[in-house]
Amino acid sequence: GAVVSQHPSWVICKSGTSVKIECRSLDFQATTMFWYRQFPKQSLMLMATSNEGSKATYEQGVEKDKFLINHASLTLSTLTVTSAHPEDSSFYICSARLGTGELFFGEGSRLTVL
Amino acid sequence: GQNIDQPTEMTATEGAIVQINCTYQTSGFNGLFWYQQHAGEAPTFLSYNVLDGLEEKGRFSSFLSRSKGYSYLLLKELQMKDSASYLCAVYQTGANNLFFGTGTRLTVIP
Repeated sequence: GAVVSQHPSWVICKSGTSVKIECRSLDFQATTMFWYRQFPKQSLMLMATSNEGSKATYEQGVEKDKFLINHASLTLSTLTVTSAHPEDSSFYICSARLGTGELFFGEGSRLTVL
Repeated sequence: GQNIDQPTEMTATEGAIVQINCTYQTSGFNGLFWYQQHAGEAPTFLSYNVLDGLEEKGRFSSFLSRSKGYSYLLLKELQMKDSASYLCAVYQTGANNLFFGTGTRLTVIP
């Protein structure tokens, strides 16, 4: 079946540094991928829609200069958290959609900023 | 826009049946999904309803009434491993994404 792989699963970084998270579709080509953030005991919040070969579409309140998204190929999207701060500590999850509409999720990446 | 409501928390006994409700209001509807999410893990797909009625898949069933903007997820023969959050998500016409409810945290007790 369709699989979405996310890396790294866990990352700890110092405040002020940048962290890159990768999202790959393993069994299919995904022209569109989605990035979510989830704080403890809360639901998924869409951050941005990543479009292959074009600029990402960001949700209201999400800083595009802080959360850089690159979708350079049909199987890879990356999210870079720039100048990370402790309040950016969260669970980041990517997903990709099949033509049927079903979303497959990556394993998630837990970011801790010290 | 869209508005999706689910109960925040529920508790049920092992072996019992539990129903998790979801109501939604959306400017365009193109299907409803249920996902299960264990703490610290990504959501996993449970069911998809686009037409009215009941979809059964093993111990899990999902129901949809489009006229009422209502769905429920039914879990039978509850097991301890069913303790998780259950997310209701609506696929909106014209949008390229699912919109999620806040999730229902289910706790199964012995």
